[in-house]
Amino acid sequence: RKEVEQDPGPFNVPEGATVAFNCTYSNSASQSFFWYRQDCRKEPKLLMSVYSSGNEDGRFTAQLNRASQYISLLIRDSKLSDSATYLCVVNGYNDYKLSFGAGTTVTVRA
Amino acid sequence: DADVTQTPRNRITKTGKRIMLECSQTKGHDRMYWYRQDPGLGLRLIYYSFDVKDINKGEISDGYSVSRQAQAKFSLSLESAIPNQTALYFCATGGRGANVLTFGAGSRLTVL
Repeated sequence: RKEVEQDPGPFNVPEGATVAFNCTYSNSASQSFFWYRQDCRKEPKLLMSVYSSGNEDGRFTAQLNRASQYISLLIRDSKLSDSATYLCVVNGYNDYKLSFGAGTTVTVRA
Repeated sequence: DADVTQTPRNRITKTGKRIMLECSQTKGHDRMYWYRQDPGLGLRLIYYSFDVKDINKGEISDGYSVSRQAQAKFSLSLESAIPNQTALYFCATGGRGANVLTFGAGSRLTVL
């Protein structure tokens, strides 16, 4: 079983729509959770950290469900510039090795 | 200049050749990593280093070696390249106490 699993998509949505997707992780001891964004053929960049209480950054909302071992990302009012692959990233307690999901591709169309 | 610089950005080589990918950083981070990315598989950790004297194997270290020449430099070598090492390679750095990584722009390697 992969440490981090994501629905690869693609999620094709019109501008202004809301899109949401999840990521599941296998290590129940994981303590840190992140969403990274990766544009085609570019390096991954941190989008946001995911906190236990959930957190919001503008149009982006991240949630953590420890009981079911998944995190989610919701994008409201999608923009064309949101088109990218979103990587779910997880690590273990006091472990600086991050495990990456294969990514969920989102395409926002005009 | 980028915080994390990888060279070369693109390389085409033949089976059996020795290849070195270099990474340098200006962030002053102690932790450095090498990942490879293949379609549908996500990023997989090859090697990581927490300081100059500390080198650790990741999940897919076979066929690779690394050298941490200085805090700012971490190079990845393929002693005898094979076609299934064709991939996009990323170097990343992380600061002490933080789990956020900063990535280089990537090195695209093709082994024929």
